[in-house]
Amino acid sequence: EAGVTQSPTHLIKTRGQQATLRCSPISGHTSVYWYQQALGLGLQFLLWYDEGEERNRGNVPPRFSGRQFPNYSSELNVNALELEDSALYLCASSLSRGVGPSEAFFGQGTRLTVV
Amino acid sequence: KQEVTQIPAALSVPEGENLVLNCSFTDSAIYNLQWFRQDPGKGLTSLLLIQSSQREQTSGRLNASLDKSSGRSTLYIAASQPGDSATYLCALKAAGNKLTFGGGTRVLVKP
Repeated sequence: EAGVTQSPTHLIKTRGQQATLRCSPISGHTSVYWYQQALGLGLQFLLWYDEGEERNRGNVPPRFSGRQFPNYSSELNVNALELEDSALYLCASSLSRGVGPSEAFFGQGTRLTVV
Repeated sequence: KQEVTQIPAALSVPEGENLVLNCSFTDSAIYNLQWFRQDPGKGLTSLLLIQSSQREQTSGRLNASLDKSSGRSTLYIAASQPGDSATYLCALKAAGNKLTFGGGTRVLVKP
């Protein structure tokens, strides 16, 4: 069974541009989470989607947005890129919130570099 | 606000020694606690999940305990191997369903 898949693996953008990151959850999972891991820093929660809706948002600027599609895959969009947005972006999936708190599984991440 | 602390930040042991990794948290109102492994530049691999009602979980050489009253979890790795070298992260899930992570413990197992 395929795990959580993220694309692209690496992404290089210029300051001010927009970046789009994609995530496909494990089959049967409807919850998708996005985290940011800047170099040398901890994991920061960005967004949580479940069954097509945004359920929770971390303390992040409005430049960070996303959506979840009917097949439960998700996109994270970062507008007006800044140098400090350079980081490893991790996506995780789990069973629906209606099932109760369940195990989260992570993808391999997208390394975003802003120059 | 939940705060999660992992001490020490780094640990170096000779091969074969048992590893003891600590995780402490400030709010005991949690749904579950997960231990992850992260290799450099890679994603997170789930090692063990302990539900709020459980005291411990075991998988092979790994054993994790949870004591909500003291706000602590411990991950034990028996008979460490060089392949166990990685960063180990604990994370708590609570209201809002987000995971709150500790800063991690970077482990080096020397052959």
